[in-house]
Amino acid sequence: QQQVKQSPQSLIVQKGGISIINCAYENTAFDYFPWYQQFPGKGPALLIAIRPDVSEKKEGRFTISFNKSAKQFSLHIMDSQPGDSATYFCAASRNSGNTPLVFGKGTRLSVIA
Amino acid sequence: DGGITQSPKYLFRKEGQNVTLSCEQNLNHDAMYWYRQDPGQGLRLIYYSQIVNDFQKGDIAEGYSVSREKKESFPLTVTSAQKNPTAFYLCASRGTARQPQHFGDGTRLSIL
Repeated sequence: QQQVKQSPQSLIVQKGGISIINCAYENTAFDYFPWYQQFPGKGPALLIAIRPDVSEKKEGRFTISFNKSAKQFSLHIMDSQPGDSATYFCAASRNSGNTPLVFGKGTRLSVIA
Repeated sequence: DGGITQSPKYLFRKEGQNVTLSCEQNLNHDAMYWYRQDPGQGLRLIYYSQIVNDFQKGDIAEGYSVSREKKESFPLTVTSAQKNPTAFYLCASRGTARQPQHFGDGTRLSIL
Protein backbone atom coordinates (compact mmCIF):
# COMPACT_ATOMS: atom_id res chain seq x y z
CA GLN A 1 0.00 0.00 0.00
CA GLN A 2 1.52 3.25 -1.11
CA GLN A 3 0.98 5.79 1.63
CA VAL A 4 2.21 8.84 -0.29
CA LYS A 5 1.25 9.25 -3.94
CA GLN A 6 3.26 11.73 -6.00
CA SER A 7 2.53 13.17 -9.43
CA PRO A 8 3.57 13.75 -12.11
CA GLN A 9 6.33 11.20 -12.63
CA SER A 10 8.17 13.63 -14.89
CA LEU A 11 7.81 17.30 -15.71
CA ILE A 12 9.29 19.60 -18.33
CA VAL A 13 9.08 23.33 -17.68
CA GLN A 14 10.38 26.32 -19.59
CA LYS A 15 12.94 28.51 -17.88
CA GLY A 16 11.13 31.15 -15.86
CA GLY A 17 7.98 29.09 -15.58
CA ILE A 18 6.30 27.56 -12.52
CA SER A 19 6.92 23.92 -11.65
CA ILE A 20 4.16 22.21 -9.65
CA ILE A 21 4.46 18.78 -8.05
CA ASN A 22 1.61 17.23 -6.09
CA CYS A 23 1.41 14.67 -3.33
CA ALA A 24 -1.47 12.97 -1.54
CA TYR A 25 -1.30 10.97 1.65
CA GLU A 26 -3.60 8.50 3.34
CA ASN A 27 -2.50 8.32 6.96
CA THR A 28 -4.17 11.09 8.98
CA ALA A 29 -1.54 10.61 11.71
CA PHE A 30 1.11 12.15 9.44
CA ASP A 31 2.12 15.57 10.68
CA TYR A 32 5.44 16.36 9.04
CA PHE A 33 5.75 16.86 5.29
CA PRO A 34 9.20 17.54 3.80
CA TRP A 35 10.32 17.87 0.21
CA TYR A 36 13.72 16.61 -0.90
CA GLN A 37 15.78 17.47 -3.98
CA GLN A 38 18.15 14.92 -5.47
CA PHE A 39 20.80 15.38 -8.15
CA PRO A 40 22.22 12.38 -10.04
CA GLY A 41 24.71 10.37 -7.99
CA LYS A 42 23.93 12.29 -4.81
CA GLY A 43 21.76 11.71 -1.77
CA PRO A 44 18.51 13.65 -1.36
CA ALA A 45 18.80 17.01 0.37
CA LEU A 46 16.03 18.66 2.36
CA LEU A 47 14.49 21.52 0.39
CA ILE A 48 11.59 22.70 2.51
CA ALA A 49 9.17 21.18 5.02
CA ILE A 50 5.77 21.99 6.50
CA ARG A 51 3.67 20.94 9.47
CA PRO A 52 -0.15 20.88 9.33
CA ASP A 53 -0.63 23.93 11.54
CA VAL A 54 0.02 26.18 8.51
CA SER A 55 -1.40 26.05 4.98
CA GLU A 56 1.58 27.50 3.17
CA LYS A 57 5.32 27.93 3.65
CA LYS A 58 7.63 29.87 1.38
CA GLU A 59 11.41 29.83 1.18
CA GLY A 60 12.81 31.85 -1.69
CA ARG A 61 11.41 30.47 -4.96
CA PHE A 62 10.06 27.34 -3.27
CA THR A 63 6.58 27.17 -1.72
CA ILE A 64 4.71 24.30 -0.08
CA SER A 65 0.91 24.46 -0.11
CA PHE A 66 -0.87 22.17 2.33
CA ASN A 67 -4.55 21.13 2.33
CA LYS A 68 -5.27 19.11 5.45
CA SER A 69 -8.90 18.30 4.62
CA ALA A 70 -7.96 16.96 1.19
CA LYS A 71 -4.82 15.27 2.56
CA GLN A 72 -2.76 16.86 -0.18
CA PHE A 73 0.34 19.01 -0.37
CA SER A 74 2.25 20.46 -3.26
CA LEU A 75 5.57 22.05 -4.14
CA HIS A 76 5.67 25.14 -6.33
CA ILE A 77 8.95 26.30 -7.83
CA MET A 78 8.63 29.86 -9.10
CA ASP A 79 10.87 31.23 -11.87
CA SER A 80 12.21 27.74 -12.56
CA GLN A 81 15.87 27.61 -13.62
CA PRO A 82 17.93 24.95 -15.43
CA GLY A 83 19.79 24.40 -12.15
CA ASP A 84 16.52 23.23 -10.61
CA SER A 85 16.58 20.19 -12.90
CA ALA A 86 16.61 17.28 -10.47
CA THR A 87 14.39 14.62 -8.95
CA TYR A 88 12.03 15.81 -6.22
CA PHE A 89 10.55 13.62 -3.53
CA CYS A 90 7.73 14.40 -1.15
CA ALA A 91 7.60 12.55 2.15
CA ALA A 92 5.54 12.29 5.31
CA SER A 93 5.92 10.99 8.83
CA ARG A 94 4.32 10.99 12.24
CA ASN A 95 5.80 13.19 14.89
CA SER A 96 5.96 10.45 17.52
CA GLY A 97 9.49 9.22 18.05
CA ASN A 98 11.73 8.94 15.05
CA THR A 99 9.32 7.04 12.83
CA PRO A 100 10.74 6.74 9.33
CA LEU A 101 9.73 9.04 6.51
CA VAL A 102 7.47 7.54 3.87
CA PHE A 103 8.46 8.78 0.42
CA GLY A 104 6.60 9.37 -2.80
CA LYS A 105 8.06 7.81 -5.95
CA GLY A 106 9.63 11.04 -7.12
CA THR A 107 9.24 13.54 -9.94
CA ARG A 108 12.00 14.15 -12.46
CA LEU A 109 11.99 17.85 -13.32
CA SER A 110 13.69 19.19 -16.42
CA VAL A 111 13.87 22.95 -16.87
CA ILE A 112 14.67 23.87 -20.45
CA ALA A 113 15.94 27.20 -21.72
CA ASP B 1 32.05 19.29 8.94
CA GLY B 2 29.19 17.20 10.30
CA GLY B 3 27.59 14.72 7.98
CA ILE B 4 26.98 11.18 6.85
CA THR B 5 29.68 9.21 5.09
CA GLN B 6 28.81 6.19 3.01
CA SER B 7 31.46 3.89 1.59
CA PRO B 8 32.34 2.63 -0.86
CA LYS B 9 30.74 4.79 -3.53
CA TYR B 10 30.62 1.82 -5.94
CA LEU B 11 30.50 -1.87 -5.02
CA PHE B 12 30.34 -5.03 -7.06
CA ARG B 13 28.98 -8.31 -5.78
CA LYS B 14 29.63 -11.78 -7.09
CA GLU B 15 26.98 -14.49 -7.02
CA GLY B 16 26.61 -16.05 -3.57
CA GLN B 17 28.63 -13.32 -1.89
CA ASN B 18 27.65 -11.15 1.08
CA VAL B 19 28.73 -7.53 0.93
CA THR B 20 28.65 -4.84 3.60
CA LEU B 21 27.92 -1.18 3.01
CA SER B 22 29.29 1.28 5.52
CA CYS B 23 27.44 4.26 6.98
CA GLU B 24 29.03 6.59 9.53
CA GLN B 25 27.59 9.82 10.95
CA ASN B 26 29.13 12.47 13.17
CA LEU B 27 25.91 14.39 13.75
CA ASN B 28 25.26 12.70 17.12
CA HIS B 29 21.91 11.50 15.77
CA ASP B 30 20.04 8.72 17.56
CA ALA B 31 18.10 7.39 14.56
CA MET B 32 19.61 5.92 11.40
CA TYR B 33 17.95 4.50 8.30
CA TRP B 34 18.75 2.48 5.20
CA TYR B 35 16.84 3.01 1.95
CA ARG B 36 17.02 1.36 -1.40
CA GLN B 37 16.45 3.45 -4.53
CA ASP B 38 15.46 1.94 -7.87
CA PRO B 39 14.48 3.98 -10.94
CA GLY B 40 10.82 4.99 -10.71
CA GLN B 41 10.39 3.35 -7.29
CA GLY B 42 11.30 6.18 -4.97
CA LEU B 43 13.02 5.38 -1.69
CA ARG B 44 12.04 2.16 0.03
CA LEU B 45 12.92 1.54 3.66
CA ILE B 46 15.09 -1.50 4.39
CA TYR B 47 15.93 -1.19 8.10
CA TYR B 48 16.00 1.54 10.70
CA SER B 49 17.41 2.00 14.17
CA GLN B 50 16.15 4.48 16.72
CA ILE B 51 18.78 3.71 19.34
CA VAL B 52 22.00 1.76 19.76
CA ASN B 53 21.59 -2.03 19.90
CA ASP B 54 18.07 -1.88 18.53
CA PHE B 55 16.72 -1.93 14.98
CA GLN B 56 13.49 -2.67 13.11
CA LYS B 57 12.66 -4.08 9.71
CA GLY B 58 11.36 -1.76 7.07
CA ASP B 59 9.25 -2.57 4.05
CA ILE B 60 11.85 -4.60 2.14
CA ALA B 61 14.12 -6.19 4.79
CA GLU B 62 14.32 -9.66 3.24
CA GLY B 63 17.86 -10.47 2.10
CA TYR B 64 19.43 -7.71 4.21
CA SER B 65 20.86 -7.50 7.72
CA VAL B 66 22.10 -4.64 9.92
CA SER B 67 23.80 -3.98 13.22
CA ARG B 68 23.93 -0.93 15.49
CA GLU B 69 26.73 -1.43 17.98
CA LYS B 70 27.77 2.23 18.02
CA LYS B 71 25.70 5.38 17.78
CA GLU B 72 27.65 6.69 14.81
CA SER B 73 27.67 3.50 12.72
CA PHE B 74 24.91 1.52 10.99
CA PRO B 75 26.36 -0.96 8.46
CA LEU B 76 24.11 -2.80 6.01
CA THR B 77 24.92 -6.31 4.78
CA VAL B 78 23.42 -7.42 1.50
CA THR B 79 23.29 -11.18 1.76
CA SER B 80 23.28 -13.81 -0.98
CA ALA B 81 19.57 -14.27 -0.24
CA GLN B 82 18.88 -10.90 -1.87
CA LYS B 83 18.38 -12.01 -5.46
CA ASN B 84 18.11 -8.56 -7.00
CA PRO B 85 20.63 -6.39 -5.14
CA THR B 86 21.48 -3.98 -7.96
CA ALA B 87 20.37 -0.56 -6.69
CA PHE B 88 21.44 2.72 -5.17
CA TYR B 89 21.60 2.42 -1.37
CA LEU B 90 21.09 5.47 0.81
CA CYS B 91 21.81 5.88 4.50
CA ALA B 92 20.15 8.61 6.54
CA SER B 93 20.07 9.87 10.11
CA ARG B 94 17.86 12.06 12.24
CA GLY B 95 18.29 13.67 15.65
CA THR B 96 14.73 14.06 16.86
CA ALA B 97 11.31 13.76 15.24
CA ARG B 98 11.21 17.55 14.79
CA GLN B 99 14.57 17.67 13.01
CA PRO B 100 15.15 16.98 9.33
CA GLN B 101 16.47 13.67 8.08
CA HIS B 102 19.91 13.91 6.50
CA PHE B 103 21.20 11.60 3.78
CA GLY B 104 24.59 10.36 2.73
CA ASP B 105 25.64 10.32 -0.93
CA GLY B 106 24.87 6.67 -1.44
CA THR B 107 26.53 3.45 -2.53
CA ARG B 108 25.77 2.00 -5.95
CA LEU B 109 25.79 -1.79 -5.84
CA SER B 110 26.02 -3.87 -8.99
CA ILE B 111 26.22 -7.58 -9.78
CA LEU B 112 29.33 -8.96 -11.47
